[in-house]
Amino acid sequence: EAQVTQNPRYLITVTGKKLTVTCSQNMNHEYMSWYRQDPGLGLRQIYYSMNVEVTDKGDVPEGYKVSRKEKRNFPLILESPSPNQTSLYFCASSLARAGTEAFFGQGTRLTVV
Amino acid sequence: AQSVTQLDSHVSVSEGTPVLLRCNYSSSYSPSLFWYVQHPNKGLQLLLKYTSAATLVKGINGFEAEFKKSETSFHLTKPSAHMSDAAEYFCVVSDRGGGDMRFGAGTRLTVKP
Repeated sequence: EAQVTQNPRYLITVTGKKLTVTCSQNMNHEYMSWYRQDPGLGLRQIYYSMNVEVTDKGDVPEGYKVSRKEKRNFPLILESPSPNQTSLYFCASSLARAGTEAFFGQGTRLTVV
Repeated sequence: AQSVTQLDSHVSVSEGTPVLLRCNYSSSYSPSLFWYVQHPNKGLQLLLKYTSAATLVKGINGFEAEFKKSETSFHLTKPSAHMSDAAEYFCVVSDRGGGDMRFGAGTRLTVKP
């Protein structure tokens, strides 16, 4: 089954404690991206990756890092989380950057206290 | 730059009555347009997409949308609402100029018995 898998689904952490949210896709897609969803703002892109070792900032990259060492995996790293990063996060993958359907993971609800 | 405006943050209908969720877009190129649905505690699922073929697009679960270039609109409709349609709906634009998907703020659909 074609899917994007994120882990964990729920996470509560404390300010400043580094964390990683994993994302993996089994569709051999080149393009992957991370979004955060906040009430009234829709989804905003954090980072994206066009292919292995090629990543770039989206609209709200501050406080986040990503890596793309393998085609299927695209982890999101918060080196020093802060309460304003409390949000719902989605990983997505697609065949191309523009014009094609994106497949989304189930989401990770992160709370930073 | 591409952008999307969803004209209603919340729509409430009675079961069995028509649904209309409104979306206007801005794009400097021929856009691709999508509607995604998000049920509570779930990821985003593609309802339908427009990619410069037929202007009336049929999607899953009885939904359809019409691309109107002159009005820069891509409204989502369904003839008869079902309780299971209660969810959040996102209109999304993507074009070769702006690249990545741009999400609207979302419309929450409530269906009353």
